[in-house]
Amino acid sequence: EDQVTQSPEALRLQEGESSSLNCSYTVSGLRGLFWYRQDPGKGPEFLFTLYSAGEEKEKERLKATLTKKESFLHITAPKPEDSATYLCAVASSKGTYKYIFGTGTRLKVLA
Amino acid sequence: EAQVTQNPRYLITVTGKKLTVTCSQNMNHEYMSWYRQDPGLGLRQIYYSMNVEVTDKGDVPEGYKVSRKEKRNFPLILESPSPNQTSLYFCASSFFRRELDGELFFGEGSRLTVL
Repeated sequence: EDQVTQSPEALRLQEGESSSLNCSYTVSGLRGLFWYRQDPGKGPEFLFTLYSAGEEKEKERLKATLTKKESFLHITAPKPEDSATYLCAVASSKGTYKYIFGTGTRLKVLA
Repeated sequence: EAQVTQNPRYLITVTGKKLTVTCSQNMNHEYMSWYRQDPGLGLRQIYYSMNVEVTDKGDVPEGYKVSRKEKRNFPLILESPSPNQTSLYFCASSFFRRELDGELFFGEGSRLTVL
């Protein structure tokens, strides 16, 4: 069964304190792994797609990496505006167009 | 402005009273889908549509119906709502080719309470 597990559930950082969020997955043929950001009361906002192990993507203070079993979202020198819930999702290459989402990591960056 | 619009944003209803949550996108996207978000369970896909008149079940389709008569609209229908359908619902859309890249555009959500 396709599954996504994110850790930690919640993370508090001081401004400037770098850290990483983890997304472990099992999927029957990975078509893609996706990261989204969700602010309170809003819909998720797309950040990255990763297709294969070894791939990396960057956007401002965020960097996403992928291995065969997990993905990391590295946050470098975070700012309070980076506070949000970060969601990871996978899609299988087995002929359907379903996305399996994790439950997310709630990030709070303190000034 | 490119957007996915859901209505209503908030709704309290009673068990068994049919309701429809509308979803409309102005980006000419082929792919549209519905999700529900529950604490501890994350986002779960209810139904999706690859194009007009083409729909398919996601992981939690029981108790829901959808239709795709026009490209821009993808309403979610609860024929006989029950309390276990109390949830936060999101509609999302994407270009078909971009769908392969996971770049879904989400609406602002519809919070539904069934008493």
